[in-house]
Amino acid sequence: GAVVSQHPSRVICKSGTSVKIECRSLDFQATTMFWYRQFPKQSLMLMATSNEGSKATYEQGVEKDKFLINHASLTLSTLTVTSAHPEDSSFYICSAPPGLAAGGTQYFGPGTRLTVL
Amino acid sequence: LAKTTQPISMDSYEGQEVNITCSHNNIATNDYITWYQQFPSQGPRFIIQGYKTKVTNEVASLFIPADRKSSTLSLPRVSLSDTAVYYCLVGGISSGSARQLTFGSGTQLTVLP
Repeated sequence: GAVVSQHPSRVICKSGTSVKIECRSLDFQATTMFWYRQFPKQSLMLMATSNEGSKATYEQGVEKDKFLINHASLTLSTLTVTSAHPEDSSFYICSAPPGLAAGGTQYFGPGTRLTVL
Repeated sequence: LAKTTQPISMDSYEGQEVNITCSHNNIATNDYITWYQQFPSQGPRFIIQGYKTKVTNEVASLFIPADRKSSTLSLPRVSLSDTAVYYCLVGGISSGSARQLTFGSGTQLTVLP
């Protein structure tokens, strides 16, 4: 299946700093990518939809000024957590659909574990 | 967005067949049903996808009745390494883009020796 990578796989930072997470589609182009957050023992929650060449669409309750999304190319979307605080510590996962197959299948990255001290 | 409902947890023993059923009463005409597997601290992994009737691949089968309001993932002869959370999702394409997926609670499958 299609491959989606994320970098870094884990990051530890101090409170107040900003952290950038990259999501890449390695063998296909993705005009749309999705960003999720997952807390321990919970399901994935959609944070935002990243659109190449246009502004991201954020889910209700997600602060767009805190979670900056840039979809600079057809293979790269970045999520920047600005002024991170301990409550932002979570597992961040991106996904991308390869093409417009009728099923809308999405492939997920391996995730990034963010720990804010 | 179509909501899905699955059992929170299931236990099984090695070598048994496991069937996990998901209900999606509000599935739309152009929605497909996709199942993912997730291990701790990893991203979900695609298992199987279908629209109607039965689909089989090298790891699982997916049974979808005619009304499409439910689906059943069948894992033949599970092993300890199949212990994971399994998610059923419905979605597809609209307006030229893949629609966002809404994750339900998933089913924690525990395979016992």
